[in-house]
Amino acid sequence: ETGVTQSPTHLIKTRGQQVTLRCSSQSGHNTVSWYQQALGQGPQFIFQYYREEENGRGNFPPRFSGLQFPNYSSELNVNALELDDSALYLCASSHPDRPYGYTFGSGTRLTVV
Amino acid sequence: DAKTTQPNSMESNEEEPVHLPCNHSTISGTDYIHWYRQLPSQGPEYVIHGLTSNVNNRMASLAIAEDRKSSTLILHRATLRDAAVYYCILRATDSWGKLQFGAGTQVVVTP
Repeated sequence: ETGVTQSPTHLIKTRGQQVTLRCSSQSGHNTVSWYQQALGQGPQFIFQYYREEENGRGNFPPRFSGLQFPNYSSELNVNALELDDSALYLCASSHPDRPYGYTFGSGTRLTVV
Repeated sequence: DAKTTQPNSMESNEEEPVHLPCNHSTISGTDYIHWYRQLPSQGPEYVIHGLTSNVNNRMASLAIAEDRKSSTLILHRATLRDAAVYYCILRATDSWGKLQFGAGTQVVVTP
């Protein structure tokens, strides 16, 4: 197993710009979730995709959107970046045989200046 | 969603057991108790989960109170690699997707 891979590892963007973060999950992991983790806090659930459809969303505005692809990769898109969007973004996936145990990537550190 | 309460931090000596408490007084009958941990510069890692009975795996043990209003994660012999933030999370069976993380407990292991 190769685990969950996220890219890039670090990113600096300017306020108002758009950003796309990428995640590559393990084969067969048909559920993927994205989380935002501010410094010193626990991760906050953004949304989840199951078989390429969004099936759960946390308290995040519509400028946070995502996609899941048939090859078990996914994207998190954030439009109109704000300074408060600076955080660690984590991708997590699970296999249908083990829905209770999510595998997380190491995250993308986004800094908005 | 039901919430959990954990101590901010705990210290342990290497090779000694660590007992991490978690209070969840508003837990519902269908809520599973999950534990994840997050090592420095890494994403969270699944540790263990249970519903009513105590559970053991290669990483830890989970002791659940009879009334299910509290639980304890037990690391039997702490190593330096166990230094991490440990999160206790309640998860309803119909919402496998969402993990509601709190602030967790920072475990410090001293040699």
